[in-house]
Amino acid sequence: DQQVKQNSPSLSVQEGRISILNCDYTNSMFDYFLWYKKYPAEGPTFLISISSIKDKNEDGRFTVFLNKSAKHLSLHIVPSQPGDSAVYFCAASEGSSNTGKLIFGQGTTLQVKP
Amino acid sequence: DAGVIQSPRHEVTEMGQEVTLRCKPISGHDYLFWYRQTMMRGLELLIYFNNNVPIDDSGMPEDRFSAKMPNASFSTLKIQPSEPRDSAVYFCASSYWGSYNEQFFGPGTRLTVL
Repeated sequence: DQQVKQNSPSLSVQEGRISILNCDYTNSMFDYFLWYKKYPAEGPTFLISISSIKDKNEDGRFTVFLNKSAKHLSLHIVPSQPGDSAVYFCAASEGSSNTGKLIFGQGTTLQVKP
Repeated sequence: DAGVIQSPRHEVTEMGQEVTLRCKPISGHDYLFWYRQTMMRGLELLIYFNNNVPIDDSGMPEDRFSAKMPNASFSTLKIQPSEPRDSAVYFCASSYWGSYNEQFFGPGTRLTVL
């Protein structure tokens, strides 16, 4: 059973518009969440993270929102650029362990059209 | 500074053959993770090591899979015998204590079992 779910396999947006990628989780013990970005033929790279003590974290064009009551997080990209086209993975960990055992979702493929 | 190194990048083998995937983590990192990526399940954690000791192998699908980390700079994931359903991209990642769950991924090995 998937503890972290990304229900949208793909998303297509126009350059300059907002991209919203969604992620749901089931384990209430998760307390740290991350987004990774993956280009073809490369490994995933860290993008942005959020602790459960916050509900928002922003880094440039990227903002992650966390709704603990709904067990839902989202990644907003504003404005979207063609270079943002990639697979985005949501990940979660529990226990503030700092060890990095992460549970990943299935990924969402984002296409940003020029 | 070199990132995580994986070899081979591509492996094509026939069912029943032994496959060995290799990983060199980033120097100084004390955690090493093996993942498998499939369309259906996304990134699945197979096993992870801390200071060369296996900590959690609950994700290893069955006895045909084994992993070792003989020293801090080398790890292997072995599949014996291989089956077509093992076809996937296998990633190795490393991190260090205090990295706040951020893992550094290698480029992956694409395995095809015919």
